[in-house]
Amino acid sequence: AQKVTQAQTEISVVEKEDVTLDCVYETRDTTYYLFWYKQPPSGELVFLIRRNSFDEQNEISGRYSWNFQKSTSSFNFTITASQVVDSAVYFCALSEDSTGGFKTIFGAGTRLFVKA
Amino acid sequence: NAGVTQTPKFQVLKTGQSMTLQCAQDMNHEYMSWYRQDPGMGLRLIHYSVGAGITDQGEVPNGYNVSRSTTEDFPLRLLSAAPSQTSVYFCASRRGSSQPQHFGDGTRLSIL
Repeated sequence: AQKVTQAQTEISVVEKEDVTLDCVYETRDTTYYLFWYKQPPSGELVFLIRRNSFDEQNEISGRYSWNFQKSTSSFNFTITASQVVDSAVYFCALSEDSTGGFKTIFGAGTRLFVKA
Repeated sequence: NAGVTQTPKFQVLKTGQSMTLQCAQDMNHEYMSWYRQDPGMGLRLIHYSVGAGITDQGEVPNGYNVSRSTTEDFPLRLLSAAPSQTSVYFCASRRGSSQPQHFGDGTRLSIL
C-alpha cells in the first residue's frame, strides 16, 4: 500500500538558514513517481518537482535541492538560504504506476515558518 | 488559460443537506481527483477517475459520490452533509499517472 510520511509537522527558521524537509514513502511498485508541492498562505497548490523511481540523481534548482534515495525510501527537500517568501506548507506526494490504481497520495505536510 | 475551475469557492450547509461541488478542466486531462484538506492531515484522496465513465474510491470515500460523464467535468456530491465533512476541497487533474497534478483554487465548505 502507498504511504507518505512527513514527520516534521512544523519547522521554524530564521531567514538565511538552510532547512531540510523530510519525506519517507512506502510502495510495493517498482515504477512510481514522487512530487513536492508548495502551498503558500494564499492557499493554492503549486507543483515544485517530480522524480521517477528510475532516476536517483539529485536535483538543484536555484536555492532548492532534492535528495532522492531509494535505499532509505526518502525524497528530502532542502532550501538553502531560506527567505520569508518560502514560508508555506510543503507536501510530498507519491503516485504509483500500477494496475491496482493510479492514485496520488500526499503526506500530511510540513509547515515552514521563515522569520525575518 | 482556465486550467481547473472549482465552484463554489465558499459554501455553508446545514447538517443533512446535499450539494454538488463542481470541477471542470480545459486541458483534456484523463486523470481527475478530489481531495479534502484538514489541519494536520494533509490532502486525503476522496475519489478519482482515470477517464470518462471510470471512477474509483480513494482513502476517504464515505459520504461522497462522483461521476465522470465527460473528460472535462468531475462533480463531487455530498449525499447528506455532516459536520465531519467541514473541510477545504480541492479538485485536481493531470495528463497521466507520471504527471504532476494541476489543482483548482479549492472550495471551503462548512457544515453546521
